[in-house]
Amino acid sequence: DQQVKQNSPSLSVQEGRISILNCDYTNSMFDYFLWYKKYPAEGPTFLISISSIKDKNEDGRFTVFLNKSAKHLSLHIVPSQPGDSAVYFCAANKLGGKLIFGQGTELSVKP
Amino acid sequence: EPEVTQTPSHQVTQMGQEVILRCVPISNHLYFYWYRQILGQKVEFLVSFYNNEISEKSEIFDDQFSVERPDGSNFTLKIRSTKLEDSAMYFCASSEVPGELFFGEGSRLTVL
Repeated sequence: DQQVKQNSPSLSVQEGRISILNCDYTNSMFDYFLWYKKYPAEGPTFLISISSIKDKNEDGRFTVFLNKSAKHLSLHIVPSQPGDSAVYFCAANKLGGKLIFGQGTELSVKP
Repeated sequence: EPEVTQTPSHQVTQMGQEVILRCVPISNHLYFYWYRQILGQKVEFLVSFYNNEISEKSEIFDDQFSVERPDGSNFTLKIRSTKLEDSAMYFCASSEVPGELFFGEGSRLTVL
């Protein structure tokens, strides 16, 4: 049962443009959502999070949007930079519960 | 910047052998976790640990697995009798509050 889904295994974007990574979830009990970035042979690195009481959270070039009615969240990176190339994981949990990860989307930002 | 550290970075073992993976969580964190990622697959939850006991575990975390916090700094994952399918990258994570996890760089386990 995949409670957190990232349907795009890969995304390619030109440097300077916007990258939009999408994530869908099925469990309406989730109340906290996170994005992690992962380089090969490294552990996931926390990027940005949003709680279910908000619909937007912004941190520099990164913005996460949450649409609870659609059970959908997205990560926007503007402007995209070559150093952003990595695998991005969406994750979610209920308060105090385990993090459930999506399958990841590999972002490639081309100079 | 404080970080989660894991050792060893890579361990090769024979099937049936015991393996211990070690982690030093961030010092003021209270919640500890093990996740794993089999090559090409998603990051999977194994176990969470709080207040010196397991708070949650997945179906993967069967009797062959155990965790321990033997002292104030280390958090270990033991696999008693490794199987081929245990080959994966094992990630330790810790958090100050539930939810925002900080991960180590991982320990790659290869079972032959």
